[in-house]
Amino acid sequence: DAGVIQSPRHEVTEMGQEVTLRCKPISGHDYLFWYRQTMMRGLELLIYFNNNVPIDDSGMPEDRFSAKMPNASFSTLKIQPSEPRDSAVYFCASSRQGKREKLFFGSGTQLSVL
Amino acid sequence: AQKITQTQPGMFVQEKEAVTLDCTYDTSDPSYGLFWYKQPSSGEMIFLIYQGSYDQQNATEGRYSLNFQKARKSANLVISASQLGDSAMYFCAMRDLLGSARQLTFGSGTQLTVLP
Repeated sequence: DAGVIQSPRHEVTEMGQEVTLRCKPISGHDYLFWYRQTMMRGLELLIYFNNNVPIDDSGMPEDRFSAKMPNASFSTLKIQPSEPRDSAVYFCASSRQGKREKLFFGSGTQLSVL
Repeated sequence: AQKITQTQPGMFVQEKEAVTLDCTYDTSDPSYGLFWYKQPSSGEMIFLIYQGSYDQQNATEGRYSLNFQKARKSANLVISASQLGDSAMYFCAMRDLLGSARQLTFGSGTQLTVLP
């Protein structure tokens, strides 16, 4: 079975540009999570969805960040406009329904905002 | 609120030796799950082992075992017979099992280096 698929793997952009990160969760998984990893703050939850509905977006830094899940097999995280402090690795993860279920992570998107 | 503490930023171990990576947690939830993930230099997050707070026995998965001490609120990962491929960042994480929240809260990680 295919794992969580993220694209692009690397993204380099200039400050002020719009950035869109993409994620395809594992088929049959009910939950989708977006995490951000930086040296300073470690792994932070940005937002998560249950059956395509956003449940907790309290980790989204500010209005420049938005996330959507139009269907069960696709999610996007958009940053507009991007800033240098957004540079990080962004992970998408998915899991099944049960509370003991582990998260399966994608390979991450390394974002660099110049 | 949940908090995970990993006090060892870096650890070294000789190949074939065992190593313990520390994890302590703080939560008011009576039922919770503890997870360990490995992140090699390639960047992916790999699940290693899970322990439920009410599980009767400490979890084991191959060379990985979890030294769970509920009264001390610790969930240390033990890796036996270390291999060079075990060199990676290791993260401890937890989730409440009773409430509605589904996210994992992660610690800051421990960088393990296995020496030949």
